Amino acid sequence: DVVMTQSPLSLPVTLGQPASISCRSSQSLVYSGEGTYLNWFLQRPGQSPRRLIYMVSNRDSGVPDRFSGSGSGTDFTLTISRVEAEDVGIYFCMQGTHWPLTFGGGTKVEIK
Amino acid sequence: EVQVLESGGGLVQPGGSLRLSCAASGYTFDRFDMSWVRQAPGKGLEWVSGIRASGFETFYADSVKGRFTITRDNSKNTLDLQMNSLRGEDTAVYYCVRGLRAPDYWGQGTLVTVSS
Repeated sequence: DVVMTQSPLSLPVTLGQPASISCRSSQSLVYSGEGTYLNWFLQRPGQSPRRLIYMVSNRDSGVPDRFSGSGSGTDFTLTISRVEAEDVGIYFCMQGTHWPLTFGGGTKVEIK
Repeated sequence: EVQVLESGGGLVQPGGSLRLSCAASGYTFDRFDMSWVRQAPGKGLEWVSGIRASGFETFYADSVKGRFTITRDNSKNTLDLQMNSLRGEDTAVYYCVRGLRAPDYWGQGTLVTVSS
């Protein structure tokens, strides 16, 4: 199985400051002819996960433009340009290239 | 508005069976693949199973292969997960999710507790 490794596990951030989360896969996530299936989700406390970014860098409708995704191959990053209070929660990366599909362990973002 | 709504969770004894259902609305159901993803209490996300839009191709995590069966009824816009030979480690909130490789809409989840 493809192992998805996120870091850090916990990320205390200051409101208005940038934040970055790393996600690394044990195999390349390039899917021949279709692109790279690397997605990011946010799970706010007590809620279901919500997709923020799909295929590395495509922002979902309604997702603020302070969220951006980047990376290629096995190394990916989710960046929040200026953290707001509503960004608190657990962020998960997920690969959709190889079976079985797998998630990272999660990064908990909290306000300092 | 896209909605997926799970039902069927509950308490079941080890070795027992349970059938989860998901009702989808707000989009053309038979054009989208579907998945089940679970989350054990206080833990991360685990993809469980997926099915193509046609229903003709299914996929399973090794942890549930041979015990769980995913099906869909495109005439009723429903997705099911038949869970047999349940174990304590199957205890989790089960989410119905639209999509496979880049899942987008998630339901609120239904809790399955396997305990004697």
